[in-house]
Amino acid sequence: ETGVTQTPRHLVMGMTNKKSLKCEQHLGHNAMYWYKQSAKKPLELMFVYNFKEQTENNSVPSRFSPECPNSSHLFLHLHTLQPEDSALYLCASSQDRAHKGEAFFGQGTRLTVV
Amino acid sequence: EDQVTQSPEALRLQEGESSSLNCSYTVSGLRGLFWYRQDPGKGPEFLFTLYSAGEEKEKERLKATLTKKESFLHITAPKPEDSATYLCAVRGNAGKSTFGDGTTLTVKP
Repeated sequence: ETGVTQTPRHLVMGMTNKKSLKCEQHLGHNAMYWYKQSAKKPLELMFVYNFKEQTENNSVPSRFSPECPNSSHLFLHLHTLQPEDSALYLCASSQDRAHKGEAFFGQGTRLTVV
Repeated sequence: EDQVTQSPEALRLQEGESSSLNCSYTVSGLRGLFWYRQDPGKGPEFLFTLYSAGEEKEKERLKATLTKKESFLHITAPKPEDSATYLCAVRGNAGKSTFGDGTTLTVKP
């Protein structure tokens, strides 16, 4: 139990589907992150929320839409994805954006776009 | 721009054969250097945080050290269960964490 829970663990979706990834943290943290991890590539930061406010969007295509209703929950809404979007999507949380402390990761959602 | 380079890309060891993984970095105002372990298909698992040159931390067979330009993850007498990808990340003044590509460690019995 890492304190950060992601659902679903696996997702297969067609290019015309709409789906959502969910992340919940039980650590009392105020910053939450979405990362994308593709084969043979380093972790790519997608979005950052600090105290429920989006503070960073690293040029992510609009087919990915994040939502952070409170400091404990983070969603990633997906629509009209492309096959190259297939990857492991990781959620993480940390004390806050500026804090020195480490980030804790969930187990990820393995997304396959067909 | 912050940068992290890990070497080697892959490392194969016999059980009990000690070695080190390297993480070289450039960062604007180091706020922390982090080591993670990642098993296939799973999220990274936090191992250590180092904040200043000269700092060392240990956990079982792992020991992390830090200088102003690099960090080492020393693995003493590794076991097959230590096989994983080890990730290094730095966080600078901008508060953004930059990850390296990782080192994939395989320990053969």
